Amino acid sequence: GENVEQHPSTLSVQEGDSAVIKCTYSDSASNYFPWYKQELGKGPQLIIDIRSNVGEKKDQRIAVTLNKTAKHFSLHITETQPEDSAVYFCAASIRSGGGADGLTFGKGTHLIIQP
Amino acid sequence: DSGVTQTPKHLITATGQRVTLRCSPRSGDLSVYWYQQSLDQGLQFLIQYYNGEERAKGNILERFSAQQFPDLHSELNLSSLELGDSALYFCASSVAPASGQETQYFGPGTRLLVL
Repeated sequence: GENVEQHPSTLSVQEGDSAVIKCTYSDSASNYFPWYKQELGKGPQLIIDIRSNVGEKKDQRIAVTLNKTAKHFSLHITETQPEDSAVYFCAASIRSGGGADGLTFGKGTHLIIQP
Repeated sequence: DSGVTQTPKHLITATGQRVTLRCSPRSGDLSVYWYQQSLDQGLQFLIQYYNGEERAKGNILERFSAQQFPDLHSELNLSSLELGDSALYFCASSVAPASGQETQYFGPGTRLLVL
């Protein structure tokens, strides 16, 4: 089955700086890659996703890049703010005509924004 | 608020017991997914239902079962509970089956403690 590796496990950056989280996946059939943000006591919340026919996607301060050949994808957060502090998860799954399969998640990155 | 509701929020029970967790998907969503989140295993996909039918299975134990009812709400049944079953259990829903509608929206979770 699919295996998703995520690094680093903890990332501390100064407010205003950029943060980058990297993930690799093993199953070349995976074609859908969402990123989730989880705050303490809450469920994961989708922040951005990318499909395998796209190399990069941006939404305001958040961007995701995908390298299908190398089987890795990354999350970039620019101009970090205190409210960006949370645990971030990458995930991978296979989209088919019946929607996406269950997500395989990375272990998570605890992002700490230092004031 | 994702629109996915889960009850109960917290559950404390003893080893050997059986519990039922309930999930109501977002209005209009046909697919329901169940995930388990624990410190050692991370976020793991358990099972998916689409419009009342089981669609995909992940790392779900034989002691666990689920179903989706005609009104699309879902229940996850955990039996012969062990200490290691203590975890957060999340339900997610998505529209499916059309492509581009695979975003999974997570509920707030049920925290299960087995003593």
